[in-house]
Amino acid sequence: EVQLLESGGGLVQPGGSLRLSCAASGFTFTNYAMNWVRHAPGKGLEWISAIRSPDFRTHYADSVKGRFTISRDNSRNTLYLQMNSLRVEDTAVYFCAKTISPAHTVTCDSWGQGTLVTVSS
Amino acid sequence: QSVLTQPPSVSAAPGQRVTISCSGSSSNIGKNSVFWYQQFPGTVPKLLIYDTNKRPSGIPDRFSGSKSGTSATLGITGLQTGDEADYYCGTWDSSPSVGVFGGGTKLTVL
Repeated sequence: EVQLLESGGGLVQPGGSLRLSCAASGFTFTNYAMNWVRHAPGKGLEWISAIRSPDFRTHYADSVKGRFTISRDNSRNTLYLQMNSLRVEDTAVYFCAKTISPAHTVTCDSWGQGTLVTVSS
Repeated sequence: QSVLTQPPSVSAAPGQRVTISCSGSSSNIGKNSVFWYQQFPGTVPKLLIYDTNKRPSGIPDRFSGSKSGTSATLGITGLQTGDEADYYCGTWDSSPSVGVFGGGTKLTVL
């Protein structure tokens, strides 16, 4: 059974940083691209970033490019999202998600339960 | 403002059929396959359709997907009150190589 467990969310002031982690199990992590998607209160889903494997090629939404960094440690089956220069509008539940097959980059079939990031002074 | 455009809401009676549209452009829907998610309040999204018209195991054939040009459509037949949820379309945008979602459509089963 695929399991994705996010951690690292919390309350941070504008301009601050957080690092989210997503521990994966139940599948061959190395074979799949992984994504971060967020859901802000009262708004729709927003794709944030993806990282492929094994080439580790990364992609970012314009809203986070230059501030967020996605990475993965295939030896630890863990996905990361380093978030810098956080803004109030980054407040959301952040989900990590696994792609449905090694051939896909953003089509995700398994999601973690999400971790809440609140940016507020 | 989402890259993909969905109607904010749709409604239909139990047992009826409803369609949800998703409009994009030549660089996203026009070039790549589409997926659809169902999301109930406070829960994680559930993949309903991938590769435009394929259903993951466990998804009933009441749900279907199609695409024509730069628009995609999710169809749901035999509507049930349990289908009331938010529905999101998504795809890859080849220029500038990013994932994109629609703004979501709230389905009400009257």
